[in-house]
Amino acid sequence: EAGVTQSPTHLIKTRGQQATLRCSPISGHTSVYWYQQALGLGLQFLLWYDEGEERNRGNFPPRFSGRQFPNYSSELNVNALELEDSALYLCASSYPGLAVTSTDTQYFGPGTRLTVL
Amino acid sequence: QQQVKQSPQSLIVQKGGISIINCAYENTAFDYFPWYQQFPGKGPALLIAIRPDVSEKKEGRFTISFNKSAKQFSLHIMDSQPGDSATYFCAASKRYSSASKIIFGSGTRLSIRP
Repeated sequence: EAGVTQSPTHLIKTRGQQATLRCSPISGHTSVYWYQQALGLGLQFLLWYDEGEERNRGNFPPRFSGRQFPNYSSELNVNALELEDSALYLCASSYPGLAVTSTDTQYFGPGTRLTVL
Repeated sequence: QQQVKQSPQSLIVQKGGISIINCAYENTAFDYFPWYQQFPGKGPALLIAIRPDVSEKKEGRFTISFNKSAKQFSLHIMDSQPGDSATYFCAASKRYSSASKIIFGSGTRLSIRP
């Protein structure tokens, strides 16, 4: 079974530009989570999507946004990039987060390394 | 209430020794406690997880000890090996919550000296 996949692996942008990151969850998983991990730091929760809807978001400005498509894949958009947005962006998926059969286990992809120059 | 406090921030252990990482939580509604292992440049991978109805769970060299009354849980790595060198994150979550998301600790960078 394929794991969570993310693209691109690396992304280099300049200040003020927009970045689009993509994630495909494990087959059968409908929940997708996005995290930011700055170098040497912990995981900062960004967004949670389930069944195409945004369920929760972390303490990030509105220029961080995303969406989930009918096939449950997801896209994270970062507008007006700033230098401090440079980080590893991780996507995770889980079995339906709101279902009584939810295991709450999140499976992570390899991440997209975003560098803002 | 939503925090998970993890310690130490970094840890150096000799090969063959026992590595111990501790976590404490505040929200008594949490009922799922996973540990993740992350190698440089990779995403975190689920290592082992426990629910509060048991006090200990062991998988190979990895053991989670859970103290519900103290709201603490810890990861023990027995016979630590250089390949165990990684960053470890504890986490906590509440099942079936409409605001469900995992709360992660700040991470522990573990180095195993040969």
